[in-house]
Amino acid sequence: QVQLQESGPGLVKPSETLSLTCTVSGGSVSGYYWSWIRQPPGKGLEWIGYIYYSGSTNYNPSLESRVTISVDTSKNQFSLRLSSVTAADTAVYYCARRTPGGNLDFWGQGTLVTVSS
Amino acid sequence: ETVLTQSPATLSLSPGERAALSCRASQSISSYLAWYQQKPGQAPRLLIYDASNRATGIPARFSGSGSGTDFTLTISSLEPEDFAVYYCQQRSNWPWTFGQGTKVEIK
Repeated sequence: QVQLQESGPGLVKPSETLSLTCTVSGGSVSGYYWSWIRQPPGKGLEWIGYIYYSGSTNYNPSLESRVTISVDTSKNQFSLRLSSVTAADTAVYYCARRTPGGNLDFWGQGTLVTVSS
Repeated sequence: ETVLTQSPATLSLSPGERAALSCRASQSISSYLAWYQQKPGQAPRLLIYDASNRATGIPARFSGSGSGTDFTLTISSLEPEDFAVYYCQQRSNWPWTFGQGTKVEIK
């Protein structure tokens, strides 16, 4: 069974960069697409972007200027960087495996990131 | 961006009753629609993909239908563990988007 676990700071200051890592266990990142999704408190879900294990990416245009997703196959991890954060970026951030069909079949438990000084 | 509008926002039902949740797309998305279930404090779980296909391990009481712009998730007989928030998600047009959710609560 594939398992994903997000890690990173829970508090980020405004204008700084949010950095999260997702560690995949029970399977390999190779051969799959991997995604980041976020959910502001009490609100709906937003797809941030995804990366193929080879390194090709696709980002939500609303965030594209501030987002970088990368993958490290040797560590079986992929990562998210979101720059110039504001309070609007406060959310639970989920990592997930994206199927070839564009669905999300395995998810991490999520990690709350709060943007505040 | 393709907007998905879910209705109703809240559905109040009793265990054993049938639930019908709607998801309407702002433009045609063929059958490229999925449904997820989310319980408090948990990540979403994939229920249905490509409008009508149950994901692995999903009980037969969950079914999906529709194509184009109108879709429905039906739970034939609600079990206590089915009370949760349900989201639809389209993969026809990037960025892939989610609806705002329908909460199924115990009446």
